[in-house]
Amino acid sequence: GQQLNQSPQSMFIQEGEDVSMNCTSSSIFNTWLWYKQDPGEGPVLLIALYKAGELTSNGRLTAQFGITRKDSFLNISASIPSDVGIYFCAGRAGGTSYGKLTFGQGTILTVHP
Amino acid sequence: GAVVSQHPSWVICKSGTSVKIECRSLDFQATTMFWYRQFPKQSLMLMATSNEGSKATYEQGVEKDKFLINHASLTLSTLTVTSAHPEDSSFYICSASGSASRTDTQYFGPGTRLTVL
Repeated sequence: GQQLNQSPQSMFIQEGEDVSMNCTSSSIFNTWLWYKQDPGEGPVLLIALYKAGELTSNGRLTAQFGITRKDSFLNISASIPSDVGIYFCAGRAGGTSYGKLTFGQGTILTVHP
Repeated sequence: GAVVSQHPSWVICKSGTSVKIECRSLDFQATTMFWYRQFPKQSLMLMATSNEGSKATYEQGVEKDKFLINHASLTLSTLTVTSAHPEDSSFYICSASGSASRTDTQYFGPGTRLTVL
């Protein structure tokens, strides 16, 4: 199926550093979502974006919905060890929450104390 | 917040047997539920979309006779892997949407690890 291009695939950083990851698509999306998945668990929603240009924060996390509606980024500031996990972007083309999500390949984040 | 549960959290079965996985929305009614499959260190791949009271819509390449989906109520959807084989071993995750509002989203269950011997 269709996938978003998410980068980087993996990141190894020191505690306290900032992190940035992004997703791009050839298709327009009406909603961008960012999820975090811990090993053996389901994804947990971090931030949801519903309007082009929207910039939303959730604690140390900030995400933006690109103006072209074909991209989004997620920033994590002052990383801590519990930020370790896999981060996925997801886009939805439809206008309702019943629409299918298209997922990026994921970014594996490792934080060294 | 919206909570979605899955049962069992893990299951080991013999090749040729069938396995049923339940997905429940605990504190909201889910008109639509989704079933995903995830291989190690890979992304989530949508298998099917399940609407309460109607037949599931399967993604291309997913065998509907192999992966039976039933969404009999607004809080329960089941995925049955029939005649399981080792290649069906995977992490299966469901998600649920509570309303049609575009500002609502999918809430994911904790996943079920299936191992077929």
